[in-house]
Amino acid sequence: NSKVIQTPRYLVKGQGQKAKMRCIPEKGHPVVFWYQQNKNNEFKFLINFQNQEVLQQIDMTEKRFSAECPSNSPCSLEIQSSEAGDSALYLCASSRQGGAETLYFGSGTRLTVL
Amino acid sequence: GDSVTQTEGLVTLTKGLPVMLNCTYQTTYSPFLFWYVQHLNEAPKLLLKSSTDNKRTEHQGFYATLHKSSSSFHLQKSSVQLSDSALYFCALSPGGYKVVFGSGTRLLVSP
Repeated sequence: NSKVIQTPRYLVKGQGQKAKMRCIPEKGHPVVFWYQQNKNNEFKFLINFQNQEVLQQIDMTEKRFSAECPSNSPCSLEIQSSEAGDSALYLCASSRQGGAETLYFGSGTRLTVL
Repeated sequence: GDSVTQTEGLVTLTKGLPVMLNCTYQTTYSPFLFWYVQHLNEAPKLLLKSSTDNKRTEHQGFYATLHKSSSSFHLQKSSVQLSDSALYFCALSPGGYKVVFGSGTRLLVSP
């Protein structure tokens, strides 16, 4: 079973609504990644953190998403104004170091934007 | 830029047959290559990884060899089982905190 915990498992929102999802990384893993997996199963990188600091993010994330990884609290990813095209599986993954380390994924939050 | 190409979107096989899922990559750095497997409604999990040129890596009956000369890291198994039906993703880390995934290959194994 995955040790990366993502909540909620399912999220349904209307267009324009905020959509927030959370991730508890595996213990001892300071690096957290968020990916969007679309209906064709393709992964799109959104943002990553080391501890509380953003390492990299794509333009879409910078403009429409709000993400943080506060100390001693779950990481979160929030879409400020949901669009139909945001409907996807959002996967959180954690690792001990950088990209050369194994990513441990959560089961994801499936977002449906009506 | 850094990229991963998986040419097969869907591979269908009868159990007991061998399989090879293709993965090629592009990067100017010395990479780590990974294969992740995602079963239906489950989290993706690591199957194999390697950064050593021409060395075979094996796990759970699957194996792959990183060939830097051809920028390839094909996944193979000599005899597929029904439980191998899943999505398989090849991924590349060129270094730092970047991880790039291929588009995935769905493997369907029939009785």
